[in-house]
Amino acid sequence: IAGITQAPTSQILAAGRRMTLRCTQDMRHNAMYWYRQDLGLGLRLIHYSNTAGTTGKGEVPDGYSVSRANTDDFPLTLASAVPSQTSVYFCASSSGTGLSGANVLTFGAGSRLTVL
Amino acid sequence: AQTVTQSQPEMSVQEAETVTLSCTYDTSESDYYLFWYKQPPSRQMILVIRQEAYKQQNATENRFSVNFQKAAKSFSLKISDSQLGDAAMYFCAYRSAGTGGFKTIFGAGTRLFVKA
Repeated sequence: IAGITQAPTSQILAAGRRMTLRCTQDMRHNAMYWYRQDLGLGLRLIHYSNTAGTTGKGEVPDGYSVSRANTDDFPLTLASAVPSQTSVYFCASSSGTGLSGANVLTFGAGSRLTVL
Repeated sequence: AQTVTQSQPEMSVQEAETVTLSCTYDTSESDYYLFWYKQPPSRQMILVIRQEAYKQQNATENRFSVNFQKAAKSFSLKISDSQLGDAAMYFCAYRSAGTGGFKTIFGAGTRLFVKA
């Protein structure tokens, strides 16, 4: 089934540890995104990538890094996790062309991360 | 920078009745896209409806329709004949049609309860 796969589904992490959230899509979408969802704040963009080999900062990039070595994979790394990074993380993609239908985001199922 | 505001943290509707969720946005751009996404308890985000700003006609998708007021920067979602399966978190979202990347900005969300 075409879509986005995120791993892990859920993780409890000690503060100070390094963590990588994985995201893989099989739709050959150009653009990929990482959002965090927090109660009362909606979804906030962490980082994005318009195409393989490029990345950009979103609204809340501090403490996070991403890479886009190929079209399919877009991992999100927390170099040294802090409790304020406790959240649900969503990876998303869009085909990213100028066509209106291409602006729709396809989401993964989310990764719940708890930093203690 | 663009912002999206959803002023109703929670809404409630009786089954088979109609409910309207509000959304306002702020932008200096003339061309953009607006979306409503639904997040049921399963956490999976799915597209409900989308609107291109250059189109004056309001988008409709079965029981879902929007009231797009470009001058007022308002984009409300109307759900007719509400069903129990409509209970979810609803997010309003904005995406520029320009060259500033493919970032989508979300509001804080409105949680919809449907009463049997």
